[in-house]
Amino acid sequence: AQTVTQSQPEMSVQEAETVTLSCTYDTSESDYYLFWYKQPPSRQMILVIRQEAYKQQNATENRFSVNFQKAAKSFSLKISDSQLGDAAMYFCAYRKEGMRFGAGTRLTVKP
Amino acid sequence: GAVVSQHPSWVICKSGTSVKIECRSLDFQATTMFWYRQFPKQSLMLMATSNEGSKATYEQGVEKDKFLINHASLTLSTLTVTSAHPEDSSFYICSASPVAGGPGADTQYFGPGTRLTVL
Repeated sequence: AQTVTQSQPEMSVQEAETVTLSCTYDTSESDYYLFWYKQPPSRQMILVIRQEAYKQQNATENRFSVNFQKAAKSFSLKISDSQLGDAAMYFCAYRKEGMRFGAGTRLTVKP
Repeated sequence: GAVVSQHPSWVICKSGTSVKIECRSLDFQATTMFWYRQFPKQSLMLMATSNEGSKATYEQGVEKDKFLINHASLTLSTLTVTSAHPEDSSFYICSASPVAGGPGADTQYFGPGTRLTVL
């Protein structure tokens, strides 16, 4: 079974600073997809970034980047130049048919 | 692009009644749609996978006779909560993936969710 673990229930960052959210997963597959989704108070799930396991290069989307360590089964999200609008719940997910989500990390951005 | 809608956005019903929730992919075709449930302050839990033209696949512990899923077209899946009880009160979210081989086929796009309250 695939499991996704987010060990940080809450994180806080100062506006304009950088924060890293952790995620580990367990799988016996060799090819798979990993995702980070953001859920603001509206509860709409928003795709932040995705990573294909067979690609060694870490994915980047503007201020968002990942550190994908396949051997360690680690998939952390780095948010640079944090903005107030980044405040939300962040979910790490592994795609196996449907998405298998971690418990989430609540990110607070302090002005 | 890749917009998914849900209707209704919220619904209140009496215990014992049935409620239908619709999930539509507005600007793409989706062979597969997924249904999730999210309790307050918790993560999303996959309930079932809905395949167009075939029976849905349910996750372990999800009652298929209680949560009826129909995927009649490439743009519409419905979830019917039958004989709803207060413990079924939750936030239900659907997602859809574009058809295989198309752009974004490996990504799921989520609807805005439906809040169900059973009195």
